[in-house]
Amino acid sequence: DTEVTQTPKHLVMGMTNKKSLKCEQHMGHRAMYWYKQKAKKPPELMFVYSYEKLSINESVPSRFSPECPNSSLLNLHLHALQPEDSALYLCASSQDAAGADTQYFGPGTRLTVL
Amino acid sequence: GQNIDQPTEMTATEGAIVQINCTYQTSGFNGLFWYQQHAGEAPTFLSYNVLDGLEEKGRFSSFLSRSKGYSYLLLKELQMKDSASYLCALSRDTGFQKLVFGTGTRLLVSP
Repeated sequence: DTEVTQTPKHLVMGMTNKKSLKCEQHMGHRAMYWYKQKAKKPPELMFVYSYEKLSINESVPSRFSPECPNSSLLNLHLHALQPEDSALYLCASSQDAAGADTQYFGPGTRLTVL
Repeated sequence: GQNIDQPTEMTATEGAIVQINCTYQTSGFNGLFWYQQHAGEAPTFLSYNVLDGLEEKGRFSSFLSRSKGYSYLLLKELQMKDSASYLCALSRDTGFQKLVFGTGTRLLVSP
């Protein structure tokens, strides 16, 4: 089973709202990732968690706040977003964050900021 | 930094063979992945190369030449469902794995 699940599938929020994206995997992977993908562009890495610790933050604005409550869950808390933050947010996981383990992606959350 | 180039779009006919090229320049090379992404869906893993040579997986094969900074994905016996974007992605070893995607190649398979 190489399934990564994400909720919600779609999210519409205003610029003053606070919302959270959720990601879950039960493959025993110890690395989890958040990517942002704009239309007709490739995914861009935002954050990497390794063994539940934040290992890489790709200079993401603080209005995006990741959280890894346990090895199976990854959240992305959103606050005071801008319309240009509208995108597909993808979660991925891999066995480990060191080395070149295959990353498996969830179906994504399509976020629209009004 | 890194630079990854892929053709923007390709078209092919059902049943044919198509080769999608990817050239790259990078430091800390740790392997090259190919992913398939249908519109509005998540990328799905197709193949991984870390050593030079050809990796074959059914209708899909991927080739890597590290010295030339070159890879290709070969799709045989094309089917309509193969219409998708194909993403070449470098794995860079920066202490933690960073996957950097190329811009992707949109493949349209016609009857």
